Amino acid sequence: QKEVEQNSGPLSVPEGAIASLNCTYSDRGSQSFFWYRQYSGKSPELIMSIYSNGDKEDGRFTAQLNKASQYVSLLIRDSQPSDSATYLCAVNKDDYKLSFGAGTTVTVRA
Amino acid sequence: GAGVSQSPRYKVAKRGQDVALRCDPISGHVSLFWYQQALGQGPEFLTYFQNEAQLDKSGLPSDRFFAERPEGSVSTLKIQRTQQEDSAVYLCASSLGAVQPQHFGDGTRLSIL
Repeated sequence: QKEVEQNSGPLSVPEGAIASLNCTYSDRGSQSFFWYRQYSGKSPELIMSIYSNGDKEDGRFTAQLNKASQYVSLLIRDSQPSDSATYLCAVNKDDYKLSFGAGTTVTVRA
Repeated sequence: GAGVSQSPRYKVAKRGQDVALRCDPISGHVSLFWYQQALGQGPEFLTYFQNEAQLDKSGLPSDRFFAERPEGSVSTLKIQRTQQEDSAVYLCASSLGAVQPQHFGDGTRLSIL
């Protein structure tokens, strides 16, 4: 079992819709959770971090964490064509290593 | 600069050659990480430095891989006797501290012919 699992996609949504991305992790001791956005040929860019159960909102992005279910999600509201990218879920266990999922590719249709 | 800087952006080498990849972290970031990203996959951890100390090199694939950060700032990842399976994007990240969010450079795309 991989440490971090994501649906690879592609996830196609119309412009203005909500894109919902899911991530599960295997290590119950994980403490910190991150979402990175990666455009093709570019570096991962940190867009959200979440450390406690519940929701965290930042602009059009909302991260949701449920440690009991070992589940973290990212919602993108009012999706724009510029949101088309691969979204990487990353987890660490209160130490330095990040474990990444394979990423979910999102395409926003104009 | 404001972000993590990596050079070269692209490197093509023949199998068996040695290569050196450079990372200049964000100023003041004590933690530095190297990751390897294969096509269509997420980054995989290679090694971690806190200042000049290499605290974890458990992700390095073989003894052909070597990393250093002698003065606690710039880091170099060296690969000796390169093999085709070394072809990947090598990403460097830095952070203020070990558990702080990591910020990535644009990576070096290494192609071994």
